[in-house]
Parts: sequence; C-alpha cells; structure tokens
Amino acid sequence: DVKVTQSSRYLVKRTGEKVFLECVQDMDHENMFWYRQDPGLGLRLIYFSYDVKMKEKGDIPEGYSVSREKKERFSLILESASTNQTSMYLCASSLASPLHFGNGTRLTVT
Amino acid sequence: GDSVTQMEGPVTLSEEAFLTINCTYTATGYPSLFWYVQYPGEGLQLLLKATKADDKGSNKGFEATYRKETTSFHLEKGSVQVSDSAVYFCALSGPSGGYQKVTFGIGTKLQVIP
Repeated sequence: DVKVTQSSRYLVKRTGEKVFLECVQDMDHENMFWYRQDPGLGLRLIYFSYDVKMKEKGDIPEGYSVSREKKERFSLILESASTNQTSMYLCASSLASPLHFGNGTRLTVT
Repeated sequence: GDSVTQMEGPVTLSEEAFLTINCTYTATGYPSLFWYVQYPGEGLQLLLKATKADDKGSNKGFEATYRKETTSFHLEKGSVQVSDSAVYFCALSGPSGGYQKVTFGIGTKLQVIP
C-alpha cells in the first residue's frame, strides 16, 4: 500500500512565523500535491510538482511556496503565516491516477 | 476552467436507506471522473472512478455512471450502513488541466443513523 506521511497532525503557529509542512511518500511517485481543505470550499490546490525541483502553481498559491529536493519529499512553506491560512492541509502523491493522500495537518495560526 | 458541483449537506439517512449524492461537472473534452471518501480523522481515499462516457465505477456497494449528455456522475448506494458516514468528494481530472491535476467539489457530508 502507498503510504503518504505528513510530519505533524496538529500545528499551532503565531502570525508572522515561517512554517514548514513536510510530506513524504514511499512509492516513488512522480507527482506530489498540496491542497488545503476548508468547510464550504472543499479542496483547493496550492502547488504541485511532477518531478524533483519542478513545481507548478495551483489555484491558490499566494502566500505559499514549495520545495522538492528529493523525489519522496514535498514541503509546503508559509513564508509569513497569517490567520487566514488556518486550515487543514492535505498532501497527496500519484504516479498517474488516483491520488493517494496523507492524513492531513491541521494548522492554526493565532 | 474545470469545476465540480455537489451539495454540501449534511445528508442524514437511516441505516439501510437508499443514497444518492448528485455531482455535475463543467470541463472541456472528456475528463476522468472520481469519487473520493474521507472518513473522520483521515485523508481522502479513492472510492471509484470512470474514465469514459457510459462507464460505471463501483466499489463497496457504491456505484456511479459517467453521463456525458448530462455532465453528471451521481453516487448511489442501495443500502447504507453506519460505517458509511463520511464526507464524499466528487472530482475530475484532465484533459484541459492535465491528468495530474484533480479538481474537487466541496464535499458532501453523509451521516447514517442506526
């Protein structure tokens, strides 16, 4: 079974802090994704990557950046956290289809 | 751009009731269509999929048929169980956005009561 592991289940950060969310997959998948999940809005794509050091903006990239230095690891970075970035963050990976998701990181910015 | 429309719910049903969750989509060409399920405290997992018109996806008693003429992919189950309580997401991928990129609906919360 594919395993996608997100390093933290819950995270509380202060406004203005730099925040790193880490995601690791164990199936040598080419594609990795970061989504955020909010009530009434569903899942929205922040960034995705289809290869090491490659990245593509999703639908809501503002305020975020990503890093993919190794194939198995995809990091989401909040350069200066703000309260409107309080959300559930979901990482996913895929070879083609379907997506395989981690269990999510619930981030609260105070 | 591509989009998926589904009701947010919650949908509350008694055990053994019939379930329908409607999903319609807007996309150019012929996207692949999916239903994902999210159980409490977990990430999403694929429930079923269909890749071309008139295909029927099925899994765990759930079914959905790819209807090109009505741009729909409604999820159905004949007899729900308490263990089916979850959030259900309709989704599509490609061709306009590329098949790697998946667009999700807002999710429908299903509550099944004994």
